[in-house]
Amino acid sequence: EVQLVESGGGLVQPGGSLRLSCAASGFTFSSYWMSWVRQAPGKGLEWVANIKQDGSEKYYVDSVKGRFTISRDNAKNSLYLQMNSLRAEDTAVYYCARDVLRFPHYYMDVWGKGTTVTVSS
Amino acid sequence: EIVMTQSPATLSVSPGERATLSCRASQSVSSNLAWYQQKPGQAPRLLIYGASIRATGIPARFSGSGSGTEFTLTISILQSEDFAVYYCQQYNNWPPFTFGPGTKVDIK
Repeated sequence: EVQLVESGGGLVQPGGSLRLSCAASGFTFSSYWMSWVRQAPGKGLEWVANIKQDGSEKYYVDSVKGRFTISRDNAKNSLYLQMNSLRAEDTAVYYCARDVLRFPHYYMDVWGKGTTVTVSS
Repeated sequence: EIVMTQSPATLSVSPGERATLSCRASQSVSSNLAWYQQKPGQAPRLLIYGASIRATGIPARFSGSGSGTEFTLTISILQSEDFAVYYCQQYNNWPPFTFGPGTKVDIK
């Protein structure tokens, strides 16, 4: 079964750091781009970052550039999101998603259940 | 950045009826548009990509159409399990990928 399981969320103070993890199983992790997508309480979906299969390309939404770092370990079938200088507006459920890039199409076909990050003093 | 808008914000429909959801892009995204369904407390689920291509396992009652800046998701005969929030997302110009604000389909 294809599965993504996020972990690492929690309560953190403004300015603090957190590292999210996503464990992949049931597919060849190293063959896929991967993304993080977040959803603030009661709000819509916001793409945060993605990373190429070999980690050589990474992209971010402007609001997290310089604060968040996406990475992966293909040997461990794992995706990560290092979040520094956290702000209240980063409070959200963070989803890990498998990306399918078949030109010109790029869509997210498998999603984890999410992990909750709360930034508050 | 391409801005996506969706209308209506909420659509009240009776089971068995047809639902038509709209999505608009601030500039052309060609046919590079996906639709996702999200139920309360669950992760999003891919329904449609390429504006009209159903994802694996998606029932035929879901159909997508449009190109350029105007798109439509149609649910032909609403089932009880279809009451959810639906998001459109463009992937023509990225980063960033951008989602619409969502349309909630609820029971009339």
